[in-house]
Amino acid sequence: DTEVTQTPKHLVMGMTNKKSLKCEQHMGHRAMYWYKQKAKKPPELMFVYSYEKLSINESVPSRFSPECPNSSLLNLHLHALQPEDSALYLCASSQGITDSSNQPQHFGDGTRLSIL
Amino acid sequence: KNQVEQSPQSLIILEGKNCTLQCNYTVSPFSNLRWYKQDTGRGPVSLTIMTFSENTKSNGRYTATLDADTKQSSLHITASQLSDSASYICVVSDARYGGATNKLIFGTGTLLAVQP
Repeated sequence: DTEVTQTPKHLVMGMTNKKSLKCEQHMGHRAMYWYKQKAKKPPELMFVYSYEKLSINESVPSRFSPECPNSSLLNLHLHALQPEDSALYLCASSQGITDSSNQPQHFGDGTRLSIL
Repeated sequence: KNQVEQSPQSLIILEGKNCTLQCNYTVSPFSNLRWYKQDTGRGPVSLTIMTFSENTKSNGRYTATLDADTKQSSLHITASQLSDSASYICVVSDARYGGATNKLIFGTGTLLAVQP
């Protein structure tokens, strides 16, 4: 089991639906990340939160809306997605966002999202 | 052009044999280089992290090497097991963002299959 928990594991939704992906960690990490991973491709960074504030948005379409309610939780709100948005969405956390301690990012097992 | 290139794309070996995976990168400056293992349907798991001043780091049967002058790294797996079957991803931390972010540049991965 990973220390970063993502729910749901699988999600099928229509293009007009609104849904949310959830991510939780209790390691005291202050940086949290959302990645998108297509089949047989490496993860692509979407968002970075540091101390509950959005630090990086990699030009992600507005149909993806992140939210960090507290230091342990990270949500990704989805609305009006397109079929090409079908992918594995990974959440990760690390102790801080600076590299001074060269700490690993801990990944969850992801949510497999399918858009009909 | 991807800033982190891995070879081979895929590899099949027999159980008990050793293998070496390669990673070439152009990310500069960089803070550290990481190797992750990603099982099918799971999130990546950190194997090793090396700063630019480190030449080698081991984690059980996994040994990573780094040559910062030639911008090359390798991951050597000793006495392979069936459970080593996974995608191995080389990740370089972009130091241009140092102190503010922890932006990782992912390689395309090597898919390793260990057969009995």
